[in-house]
Amino acid sequence: DADVTQTPRNRITKTGKRIMLECSQTKGHDRMYWYRQDPGLGLRLIYYSFDVKDINKGEISDGYSVSRQAQAKFSLSLESAIPNQTALYFCATRGGSTDTQYFGPGTRLTVL
Amino acid sequence: KNQVEQSPQSLIILEGKNCTLQCNYTVSPFSNLRWYKQDTGRGPVSLTIMTFSENTKSNGRYTATLDADTKQSSLHITASQLSDSASYICVVSDNAGNNRKLIWGLGTSLGVNP
Repeated sequence: DADVTQTPRNRITKTGKRIMLECSQTKGHDRMYWYRQDPGLGLRLIYYSFDVKDINKGEISDGYSVSRQAQAKFSLSLESAIPNQTALYFCATRGGSTDTQYFGPGTRLTVL
Repeated sequence: KNQVEQSPQSLIILEGKNCTLQCNYTVSPFSNLRWYKQDTGRGPVSLTIMTFSENTKSNGRYTATLDADTKQSSLHITASQLSDSASYICVVSDNAGNNRKLIWGLGTSLGVNP
């Protein structure tokens, strides 16, 4: 079983709709992250959380919100989706002896 | 400004050949440098991690080097295979206490042709 899972894997929605992307992990890490990836721009950090009570904005948090429901769950919401939020979204955890990030399989979101 | 720059942007080689990817960084203070492999449509997977005191680290056919003085790293792939076709991303962590930041490069897209 995958250590970091994301749902849904693919989503097509319309402008103005509210969307939630969910992430679950079984690695037992406190730190969790949400990134988006666009062609030619690499990975950009949206939000990160060091524990259930600690939520921090990343470099591109506008238009997004997050919820850390438990150590194992970290959700990303788009309150009112817009077309330039079309991207590949990745959730990641971070921890272990080498402080490595472990990524989920990604969610491909298309906003029409 | 903390930056990570990778070259080349893309590369195509024949199966069985070797190649070397480059990473230059200006991150300070420096904690560690990682190379990730990202297959198309999938999340990145860690290949190697090196701290300031390490010059080289191997993971199978992948060998990473680090020159902390010149702030350069390379990833050498030996005897390439079709499955090596992917994006290779260099990530540098600063050493700013508990809130260590990760600075991501844009990656090198490698294509291995038969």
